[in-house]
Amino acid sequence: AQSVTQLGSHVSVSEGALVLLRCNYSSSVPPYLFWYVQYPNQGLQLLLKYTTGATLVKGINGFEAEFKKSETSFHLTKPSAHMSDAAEYFCAVGAPDSGAGSYQLTFGKGTKLSVIP
Amino acid sequence: DADVTQTPRNRITKTGKRIMLECSQTKGHDRMYWYRQDPGLGLRLIYYSFDVKDINKGEISDGYSVSRQAQAKFSLSLESAIPNQTALYFCATSEKGSDGYTFGSGTRLTVV
Repeated sequence: AQSVTQLGSHVSVSEGALVLLRCNYSSSVPPYLFWYVQYPNQGLQLLLKYTTGATLVKGINGFEAEFKKSETSFHLTKPSAHMSDAAEYFCAVGAPDSGAGSYQLTFGKGTKLSVIP
Repeated sequence: DADVTQTPRNRITKTGKRIMLECSQTKGHDRMYWYRQDPGLGLRLIYYSFDVKDINKGEISDGYSVSRQAQAKFSLSLESAIPNQTALYFCATSEKGSDGYTFGSGTRLTVV
């Protein structure tokens, strides 16, 4: 079984400040990890993903995340927040095909990011 | 045209009515999914399908049914809508696990 915990349903940062959105996961097999962003009245858009290889992954819009197996974490960061980053962010865990929990993603409950001018 | 198209975008229906939400994709993916999103609960899986003959229940399938009419089309039905089914519904597709999903824009359903 897989699960995802996102710490903090709401996060507020000032424009130009560091963005840190936390995600911890549980998986019985080596996980695939994803961050999605949802802007108001839109669907979910893939920000970045980790499957194998380099544990620091870079995504769109200046975001990056680091897979830390020992901490079972995949936190999302951005050095300097922009007003356009205000959205809801979802962390998700999947598994390699044929592995336990494969074929579908399990999502966290989401973190709504507000950016204060 | 969008890769994953959901219709309608918005729908208001009455309690007890049968309603169908439609999803079509041009990605050529075999795997299709229906999720519902509720504030504070994230996305929860309703049904998923790996091909026309392979339909599987997700964690919250009660009160819902699906039909995979073709590789490109996957419909979700509410047999007898209830207010508790008011939510935002997303269709998604995937080719393989490492790709993640491509999402549609969602259908906002209100049951009154």
